[in-house]
Amino acid sequence: SYELTQPPSVSVSPGQTARITCSGDALPKQYAYWYQQKPGQAPVLVIYKDSERPSGIPERFSGSSSGTTVTLTISGVQAEDEADYYCQSADSSGTYPYVVFGGGTKLTVL
Amino acid sequence: QVQLQESGPGLVKPSETLSLTCAVSGYSISSGYYWGWIRQPPGKGLEWIGSIYHSGSTYYNPSLKSRVTISVDTSKNQFSLKLSSVTAADTAVYYCARHSTGLGVDYWGQGTLVTVSS
Repeated sequence: SYELTQPPSVSVSPGQTARITCSGDALPKQYAYWYQQKPGQAPVLVIYKDSERPSGIPERFSGSSSGTTVTLTISGVQAEDEADYYCQSADSSGTYPYVVFGGGTKLTVL
Repeated sequence: QVQLQESGPGLVKPSETLSLTCAVSGYSISSGYYWGWIRQPPGKGLEWIGSIYHSGSTYYNPSLKSRVTISVDTSKNQFSLKLSSVTAADTAVYYCARHSTGLGVDYWGQGTLVTVSS
């Protein structure tokens, strides 16, 4: 089955830049989405269509795509950004809505 | 503001059928979008279960397809999930959600924990 691969954890100090990657063979052909999930809460969409930011999401969140890898970048990380982050895309067949999620990355703010 | 709210039993016995309903407010299901179910086992990641289009077409995760049924009741503006022959591996927080190819999952319910245990 198709998989999206994320690093299990990323650690950064406050004010630094965090980069979380997501790799998948079909990503050059499919949009990627990113979600932030804090403990006990439902996920929140922070990036859609690779690099678009929903209203209400701080400008420090950005997304980019290069080949089979998409990247979520958080500039000037704040303590409140500590959370789990998940990427999501369509499955390798490209048929929506057969979606798949990455395994998640725990962002720790030191 | 679109809101989704899951409801259903929090405890289901092994081999029985898990049934959940998602009530939608602030948007008519029949107007568009996909309406889906996503689950998260304790301490683990997200798994898409399946979705129903506003037209009534259904789409299921191949790994769960044989056990899943999603239906919609447009008169009540709600949609439902049935997962049969459950085991302890189906213990998870179940989220209902609205999604589209252009916007991703833009609205989520708060989630409901379903435990499979005798």
